[in-house]
Amino acid sequence: SQTIHQWPATLVQPVGSPLSLECTVEGTSNPNLYWYRQAAGRGLQLLFYSVGIGQISSEVPQNLSASRPQDRQFILSSKKLLLSDSGFYLCAWSDSGNQPQHFGDGTRLSIL
Amino acid sequence: DQQVKQNSPSLSVQEGRISILNCDYTNSMFDYFLWYKKYPAEGPTFLISISSIKDKNEDGRFTVFLNKSAKHLSLHIVPSQPGDSAVYFCATTGAGSYQLTFGKGTKLSVIP
Repeated sequence: SQTIHQWPATLVQPVGSPLSLECTVEGTSNPNLYWYRQAAGRGLQLLFYSVGIGQISSEVPQNLSASRPQDRQFILSSKKLLLSDSGFYLCAWSDSGNQPQHFGDGTRLSIL
Repeated sequence: DQQVKQNSPSLSVQEGRISILNCDYTNSMFDYFLWYKKYPAEGPTFLISISSIKDKNEDGRFTVFLNKSAKHLSLHIVPSQPGDSAVYFCATTGAGSYQLTFGKGTKLSVIP
């Protein structure tokens, strides 16, 4: 069966520091991969999605970036974190087409 | 403007009875609808989905109903069990979109 791993579960970072969150999927090949963020009091917002290795689409402009170096690995990065980057970050995967997205357990990021 | 609304923030149901969770949407371009269940400190878990060409989909104790003319979606859980206690989110997406739009959730409590 397919599983999705996301780490770390919680992270506290100072403003201006770099960020790297990693997500890996097992048990499937060529999945669609997604990064979502939930800011306090807000709904889930899609940040990036990828339909293949090296293919990244950004949904909102920001100081975050994403990369997909391997088929089942999705990385969310920032060179310099802002206070507004605080939130709950979720990685998800799906098969192509109209298929459900399956979520990891998320990373709660606090910026000090 | 909320495109997906879950108007009941909470619902309490006796064990063994039916739980009915409701969701309304505004965008007629949405054509794929999903329900997710979420426990604290975990990511959303996919439960059941329905495409706009159907009006009902059933999976064990879970049935989703879609009324396109009313732009209304509901999830029925029969019989309800204490382990069903969680926050339930409806979500939807439109043709060609990778973005899932979520409601704000309904907290279901099943009382033994």
